[in-house]
Amino acid sequence: DQQVKQNSPSLSVQEGRISILNCDYTNSMFDYFLWYKKYPAEGPTFLISISSIKDKNEDGRFTVFLNKSAKHLSLHIVPSQPGDSAVYFCAASDTGNQFYFGTGTSLTVIP
Amino acid sequence: NAGVTQTPKFRILKIGQSMTLQCTQDMNHNYMYWYRQDPGMGLKLIYYSVGAGITDKGEVPNGYNVSRSTTEDFPLRLELAAPSQTSVYFCASNSDGDTQYFGPGTRLTVL
Repeated sequence: DQQVKQNSPSLSVQEGRISILNCDYTNSMFDYFLWYKKYPAEGPTFLISISSIKDKNEDGRFTVFLNKSAKHLSLHIVPSQPGDSAVYFCAASDTGNQFYFGTGTSLTVIP
Repeated sequence: NAGVTQTPKFRILKIGQSMTLQCTQDMNHNYMYWYRQDPGMGLKLIYYSVGAGITDKGEVPNGYNVSRSTTEDFPLRLELAAPSQTSVYFCASNSDGDTQYFGPGTRLTVL
């Protein structure tokens, strides 16, 4: 039972344009959400997070939006750069001790 | 500061063999986790620990055991390896309220 879903396995974007990665969740008790970036043969690295008391969090080129009523979050990358090409995982937590991950979206930024 | 280290990087096991995947962190984190990632899937939590001497099951604990005798180490034990345990295993750690830091992963194949 996948509580966190990323329905787009892959996404291709031109360099300089916006990348939008989407994530849906089913558990209304989730109160903390994160995005991780993963390169091949490496572990995931933390990118940005948002708590359920906010609907937007921004860090440089990365912005995460949270729509609690729709149980949906998205990651916007503007402008996209070739170095952003990686697999992006969203994750959610309800207790802070357990994190539930989506299946990932492979982003390719075309120079 | 090495962060989270995992050994070995790669391993091939025969069905029924046993092995221990090692995980060490030098950040004095209380929380440690073991995940597995199957192809095309997200990370699934196997076991986690909130401190030395305390462990708890995650989503997919069957076939695995863990121990946490020190803050730094969180080994994962496979007693009777099965082909279904072929996966990439990631160890992670964090302090309370912080994001998780991941190790580079161990790629395990059971034949």
